[in-house]
Amino acid sequence: AQKITQTQPGMFVQEKEAVTLDCTYDTSDPSYGLFWYKQPSSGEMIFLIYQGSYDQQNATEGRYSLNFQKARKSANLVISASQLGDSAMYFCAMRGVNSGYSTLTFGKGTMLLVSP
Amino acid sequence: DSGVTQTPKHLITATGQRVTLRCSPRSGDLSVYWYQQSLDQGLQFLIQYYNGEERAKGNILERFSAQQFPDLHSELNLSSLELGDSALYFCASSETMNTGELFFGEGSRLTVL
Repeated sequence: AQKITQTQPGMFVQEKEAVTLDCTYDTSDPSYGLFWYKQPSSGEMIFLIYQGSYDQQNATEGRYSLNFQKARKSANLVISASQLGDSAMYFCAMRGVNSGYSTLTFGKGTMLLVSP
Repeated sequence: DSGVTQTPKHLITATGQRVTLRCSPRSGDLSVYWYQQSLDQGLQFLIQYYNGEERAKGNILERFSAQQFPDLHSELNLSSLELGDSALYFCASSETMNTGELFFGEGSRLTVL
């Protein structure tokens, strides 16, 4: 079974500062993918970034980067230069080869609030 | 805009009733997934279809059923509704079964009174 743990229910950051959202995972899958999604108050789920378990380099997408530490089973999301529009719920998720990559397992999420 | 369309966006109904949620995947995506998001359970995978066939089943109740049609749109049917079925129901799609990225629709918010 797969499990995603996000220990921070809420995070506060000031505009233009960097913030790290924590994610740890547990899986017996030899191959898996890790994802971060953003859910603003409007409710939609927005894909942010993906990291494959065999990728040598940490994934980056604009202001988002994924700090992947395989031995520690962590996949933290780093948002650089926070903007007011970054205020949202953030979910870490994974899926693995044992589930045929079919299902995404989500964490409980972290609410990020960016203040001016 | 993810390209995944869900209707209706909001739905209010009574216990015991039946509703149908509809999803149109992104153009070219063959795989459709249904997820339920509630305050107490978080995001739960319900079911996946690929090119019309059921591929994976998660925590889907027997009162719920789904299908994917030849034009690849999908419907999630919820029957004998209970108060606890109130949730945000998401549809997601991907090009293949195993691709990394899932694109989510905006969700259908169901309220059961």
